[in-house]
Formats: sequence, structure tokens, C-alpha cells
Amino acid sequence: EVQLVQSGAEVKKPGESLKISCKGSGYSFTSYWIGWVRQMPGKGLEWMGIIYPGDSDTRYSPSFQGQVTISADKSISTAYLQWSSLKASDTAMYYCARPCRDGYKNDAFDIWGQGTMVTVSS
Amino acid sequence: VIWMTQSPSLLSASTGDRVTISCRMSQGISSYLAWYQQKPGKAPELLIYAASTLQSGVPSRFSGSGSGTDFTLTISCLQSEDFATYYCQQYYSFPWTFGQGTKVEIK
Repeated sequence: EVQLVQSGAEVKKPGESLKISCKGSGYSFTSYWIGWVRQMPGKGLEWMGIIYPGDSDTRYSPSFQGQVTISADKSISTAYLQWSSLKASDTAMYYCARPCRDGYKNDAFDIWGQGTMVTVSS
Repeated sequence: VIWMTQSPSLLSASTGDRVTISCRMSQGISSYLAWYQQKPGKAPELLIYAASTLQSGVPSRFSGSGSGTDFTLTISCLQSEDFATYYCQQYYSFPWTFGQGTKVEIK
């Protein structure tokens, strides 16, 4: 079964760092892009960026460039989203997602992780 | 950045109704458009890709149409399990963007 399994919920304080993960299984991890999507409480979906684990080619939305870092470790089929200094406004659900076709970044997301809730509060 | 206008933001309908949701782009995107359904507390699920191709396993009452700048999602006969929020997404040019969402609620 093709799936993306994300790390568990996190509660952090402002200024702390954080790295959440998304582990792919049931497919060739290095052949598919993986994207990250933010959903703030009660709000819509926001596309953050995307990475190709095969060569670590990464693209960011201008809204998130410099605010987060997307990376991947192909040896353990895992993608990451990290913050160096969290803000209260980073409180949201974060989803990883995989496009339908291998090698294509211009594609819809057909496989989604279950989401990781990040709460940032003093 | 391609801006998207999704409408309406809220749609009140009854079981059995035919409903349509619109998504308009600030520039042409050919057919690089997807539609997703999201239920509370769940991850989004892909319904339609390439503007009009039904994802495997999705009921045929869902359909998509359009190309260029104007797109539509139609649910031909609304079922109880269809009450949810729907999003369009363009994947033509970076950054990919989502519409603001349409919540379909029970009338």
C-alpha cells in the first residue's frame, strides 16, 4: 500500500526549533516529488513547497521562502519540514502529499499524509 | 503568482441537488487543475485532476470541466457524504496555489 506517514503532534514555545517528518512507503521514494501544505485553524489550504528526493531539487512558495526548510533523506524514505525559530502564527496542521505520477512536479496530489498538528504557544 | 477566485465560499444545498462550484484563474493554466474534498479532521482527497479526469474510486456524480481560466466542479446528485469543503488547485506554474474553498452545507 502506498502511504505517507507523518510524525506526531508537537507543542512548542515561540523561538524554538522544530523538524517534522513524512515517511513514504509502498513506492519508489526517490522517483516522486513530495509537497507540503499548511492549513491554519479553520482556514484553507496553502501550498508551501515541494522537493524531489532523488536529487533534492526544492521549490518554495514566496510566502514560505526563508521561513521554513524542506529537505529529504532518501536513505530512509523521509521528507522533512523544519523551522529554526517558531512563531505563534506557525500554529497549523501541516500535510505532506505526493503527486500522481513519478517524476512529475506539475501534477495533482493523490496521496496525502495524515497531517501533523503544530501548536506554538508560550 | 497565479491568483484563484473560487466561488461561492458557502453553498447550502439539499440531498439530491445538483451543485456547481467555480474556480477562476488570473491567467491561463491549460488543464492543470485539480479538485479536492476535505472533511473535518481529515486530509484532503483528490477528486478530479487535469480539470476533468475523475480520480480512481471517486463516484461518477462528480465531474469537472473547463480549461484556460475558468473551471467548474459539478456534483450531479448531492449525497449525505458529500457535505464537505471543496478546493481547487492549479499546478501549472510555481507556486502552486489553492482556491479559498467552498463549504457545502446542509440546507
